[in-house]
Amino acid sequence: GAVVSQHPSWVICKSGTSVKIECRSLDFQATTMFWYRQFPKQSLMLMATSNEGSKATYEQGVEKDKFLINHASLTLSTLTVTSAHPEDSSFYICSAVLVASTGELFFGEGSRLTVL
Amino acid sequence: GNSVTQMEGPVTLSEEAFLTINCTYTATGYPSLFWYVQYPGEGLQLLLKATKADDKGSNKGFEATYRKETTSFHLEKGSVQVSDSAVYFCALSDPGWSGGGADGLTFGKGTHLIIQP
Repeated sequence: GAVVSQHPSWVICKSGTSVKIECRSLDFQATTMFWYRQFPKQSLMLMATSNEGSKATYEQGVEKDKFLINHASLTLSTLTVTSAHPEDSSFYICSAVLVASTGELFFGEGSRLTVL
Repeated sequence: GNSVTQMEGPVTLSEEAFLTINCTYTATGYPSLFWYVQYPGEGLQLLLKATKADDKGSNKGFEATYRKETTSFHLEKGSVQVSDSAVYFCALSDPGWSGGGADGLTFGKGTHLIIQP
């Protein structure tokens, strides 16, 4: 099946620094990728929709200047958490949809961010 | 807006027991419905799906039937195994979503299933 890979899987950073998380579709092209955030014991929360070659669409309440998303190619989307603070500590997951698929998503392994 | 409600866990069962995890949804139109599973240390995986009313999705012994009249998509398995221990997420996709953009999935909060030998 299709594989989506995230990197890094775990990152610790100091408050005020920026962290970049990559999401790659390894064996297929994805015109659309999604970024989610998972809080403990809660559902995944959709943060933004990333479309190749265009600006990301952010969900209400998500700061686009803080969570920068770039979808530069059909196999790579990046999420940059700028000026991270401890409240940004969370599990971030990306997913990708196959071109011309019927709605099936493929998920990355997730990236756990801890901001000290 | 769309929403998904699933039973809270953890759900603890003995091996070979019958499993039901309830899931109900709120959406306009006819969404597609999914069950995703997250095994320890792994990412989410699609378990099964149904795209229209009365469809039954099935995989690995799990089944769920799309019930429009009760807006439900309950997950069932006749005989669970220890290897089924995981977190299960019910989700729906926006009826207008064709996979080319717009919204992604709306997830339930997840149900942690623990199967004891």
